[in-house]
Amino acid sequence: DVKVTQSSRYLVKRTGEKVFLECVQDMDHENMFWYRQDPGLGLRLIYFSYDVKMKEKGDIPEGYSVSREKKERFSLILESASTNQTSMYLCASSLAGAAGETQYFGPGTRLLVL
Amino acid sequence: AQTVTQSQPEMSVQEAETVTLSCTYDTSENNYYLFWYKQPPSRQMILVIRQEAYKQQNATENRFSVNFQKAAKSFSLKISDSQLGDTAMYFCAFMNPDSNYQLIWGAGTKLIIKP
Repeated sequence: DVKVTQSSRYLVKRTGEKVFLECVQDMDHENMFWYRQDPGLGLRLIYFSYDVKMKEKGDIPEGYSVSREKKERFSLILESASTNQTSMYLCASSLAGAAGETQYFGPGTRLLVL
Repeated sequence: AQTVTQSQPEMSVQEAETVTLSCTYDTSENNYYLFWYKQPPSRQMILVIRQEAYKQQNATENRFSVNFQKAAKSFSLKISDSQLGDTAMYFCAFMNPDSNYQLIWGAGTKLIIKP
């Protein structure tokens, strides 16, 4: 089974702190994604990576950056956390190649910024 | 731009009943993929079912089936013989094959199965 893990289930940070969210997948997937999930808004793509050191902005990249130094690991960075970044963050991965591939999700990190 | 609309924020049914969750989408593409994902309380999001737009036959997976109406741009999910474990958020999602595997998501429907 594909396994996607995220470094924390719950995180509490203060405004202005630098926050690192890490995601690791064990199925050699090329694609990795970071989403933000808010009630009534569904999932919104923050960043996407299709290869090591490659990244593309999603719909809401402002205030975030990402790092992919190894194929299995994709990190989301909040350079200076703000209260409006309080949310659930989901990481996902998928195979490249044919379109329509399933995305496999981690358990999510619920971030509270005070 | 493509959009996905789920018009039912919340639904509840009795165990063993059949329930249908609605999803509509907007696109000018002819070839695309549609998905239903399930997110149980405090558990990971998982794929329920996938439909390829060029296939006329509706996808089925055990108790889960879809009613795909391409002309109407409708993609509803039917859950038969509902079980308590079906309680979850259900998300409809759209993928354009030319979009670098990016999914467009609906807002979700919270489904509660009552004993």
